[in-house]
Amino acid sequence: GENVEQHPSTLSVQEGDSAVIKCTYSDSASNYFPWYKQELGKRPQLIIDIRSNVGEKKDQRIAVTLNKTAKHFSLHITETQPEDSAVYFCAASKRDKIIFGKGTRLHILP
Amino acid sequence: GAVVSQHPSRVICKSGTSVKIECRSLDFQATTMFWYRQFPKQSLMLMATSNEGSKATYEQGVEKDKFLINHASLTLSTLTVTSAHPEDSSFYICSAQQGNGGNTEAFFGQGTRLTVV
Repeated sequence: GENVEQHPSTLSVQEGDSAVIKCTYSDSASNYFPWYKQELGKRPQLIIDIRSNVGEKKDQRIAVTLNKTAKHFSLHITETQPEDSAVYFCAASKRDKIIFGKGTRLHILP
Repeated sequence: GAVVSQHPSRVICKSGTSVKIECRSLDFQATTMFWYRQFPKQSLMLMATSNEGSKATYEQGVEKDKFLINHASLTLSTLTVTSAHPEDSSFYICSAQQGNGGNTEAFFGQGTRLTVV
């Protein structure tokens, strides 16, 4: 089955700097890659997603890149703000179930 | 976005008893719903896929007789933790996707924190 690896597990960046989270997947048939943000005590919420026919997608300060050949995808957050502090999950899906990475705890330092 | 409601949000039960958790899609129909378990500071571990009108599909290592799933309608799936033990204490969360699932956004319930004493 699909296996999603996510790095780093914890990331601290200075407010205003950029944060990058990287994921790899194992199943070449996966074609949908969402990213979720989970704040403490809350449910995960979709922040951006990308499909396999696209190499890059951007939404304001958030961007995601996908390299299908290498089977890896990354989340980039620019100009980080305190409210970006949360746990971020990458995921891969090919038709039905979504398999999540282990998560990255992002700390934005003042 | 679509709304998924999960109930209860917290439950404490005695060891050996059973607990039922409900997951409802409030404003859309979901042929498929998913149940996850999340340990503290850890990822969402997929337990099973709940299919409306048919048997659930369980992930490897998840006991189907321990975690009973029923998906009787297009808006409701239930997870029953049978004969609960302290090691079953965890955060359980469901998700649903609009339509027939597939590669679309998953909407999550608010989760249920189960404590078995």
